[in-house]
Amino acid sequence: RKEVEQDPGPFNVPEGATVAFNCTYSNSASQSFFWYRQDCRKEPKLLMSVYSSGNEDGRFTAQLNRASQYISLLIRDSKLSDSATYLCVVLHSASKIIFGSGTRLSIRP
Amino acid sequence: NAGVTQTPKFRILKIGQSMTLQCAQDMNHNYMYWYRQDPGMGLKLIYYSVGAGITDKGEVPNGYNVSRSTTEDFPLRLELAAPSQTSVYFCASRGPDSRPGEQFFGPGTRLTVL
Repeated sequence: RKEVEQDPGPFNVPEGATVAFNCTYSNSASQSFFWYRQDCRKEPKLLMSVYSSGNEDGRFTAQLNRASQYISLLIRDSKLSDSATYLCVVLHSASKIIFGSGTRLSIRP
Repeated sequence: NAGVTQTPKFRILKIGQSMTLQCAQDMNHNYMYWYRQDPGMGLKLIYYSVGAGITDKGEVPNGYNVSRSTTEDFPLRLELAAPSQTSVYFCASRGPDSRPGEQFFGPGTRLTVL
């Protein structure tokens, strides 16, 4: 079993829709969690950190469920510019940083 | 600020050749990282550094070496290139007040070993 698993997608949704995807992790001792976005042939960019109580940044909401060992990302009122690959990142320690393979999102007009 | 810069952008190597991938940051970040990303895969940590003169191995260090003589620069050396090292290499950095997963990435170096 992979340490961090994401549905590769692609998720193809119309503009304005709400879309959510999950990321599961296998190590219950994982310390912190993040979502990055990566555009095609570009570097990853931090989207948001994920906090235990859940957190929101504009149209984006991140949740952590430690009991079931997953994190989620919800995007409301999706825009064309949200089309990208979303990478889940799980940290065990300073040297144990695990990136998921990413979920591809495509927003259609 | 230029942020994190990487050179070259692209490189083709023959099996057995060596090269150095350059990474520099101008944000006075003490933490720096090297990752590789294979097609359709997540990033894997090769080496990292917590400050000048200090480096440590990540998940996939074999076939690579690093040095950190200054805060700004963190070059990655490939000795005896192999086809398995064909990948996109990203350098990243973060400041001391950021959480370990909150990193700034450079634009990457696409390396092909033939």
